[in-house]
Amino acid sequence: NAGVTQTPKFQVLKTGQSMTLQCAQDMNHNSMYWYRQDPGMGLRLIYYSASEGTTDKGEVPNGYNVSRLNKREFSLRLESAAPSQTSVYFCASNVRDGDLEQYFGPGTRLTVT
Amino acid sequence: GQSLEQPSEVTAVEGAIVQINCTYQTSGFYGLSWYQQHDGGAPTFLSYNALDGLEETGRFSSFLSRSDSYGYLLLQELQMKDSASYFCAVSPDSNYQLIWGAGTKLIIKP
Repeated sequence: NAGVTQTPKFQVLKTGQSMTLQCAQDMNHNSMYWYRQDPGMGLRLIYYSASEGTTDKGEVPNGYNVSRLNKREFSLRLESAAPSQTSVYFCASNVRDGDLEQYFGPGTRLTVT
Repeated sequence: GQSLEQPSEVTAVEGAIVQINCTYQTSGFYGLSWYQQHDGGAPTFLSYNALDGLEETGRFSSFLSRSDSYGYLLLQELQMKDSASYFCAVSPDSNYQLIWGAGTKLIIKP
C-alpha cells in the first residue's frame, strides 16, 4: 500500500516548456487535489476532482490544466511554464470531498528558469 | 471571503507545553483539522474536531469551540522532533474542499 505517489520528485524547466506532473493513489479514494506551496507559505488549491469524471478550479488555476484519468490517477499539466510557477506541488486525496483527513504525496519540487 | 488565522511562529522549550491557535471565518462549518509538516516534507494529518471539546491523541490534543469560531492544537512534552509547521484547515461543508491557514512554524529550543 503505497498511499499517494507523485512523479517526478524534482524538475527544472525553462520558461515556455511544458510538462505533466503525475499523481496516483491506491486507497480507493474518490477525491483528489493539486496544491502548490511557495516557500514559507501555506497550501493553495490549484484544481480538484471531487469524483472520477469531474474536475473543478481551485484558488489558483491559471496556467494549469488537469486530467482525472481514472479513479486512481490525477495529472497536472503546465502548458507553458513561467518562473512564477516555481513551487512545490503536492497531490492529495481523501475518501470524499469535504472529508477532514487528506493524504498527501511527497511533492514535486519544480524550478522554472 | 473565507479565512483562517493562525500565528506565523511560536517558540517553546523542549519538555514544555505549547498551544497553537486557529480562528476561522467561513460560510459554514463541518469540521477543523490539523496537519504537521516538517521542512522538506509533505503535510501529514494529526487530528480533527467536528464537535466542541477536546480530542486527545497521545501528546497532541485539539480543541474546538464552534460558538467562538476557534480551535487550538496543544502539544505536550515537547520533543525536538516536533519542530515543524502546523496548519489548521476547515471544511465549510461536507461536500466542500478544505480551506487552509497559512501555517505556524514551531521552533523548539533545548
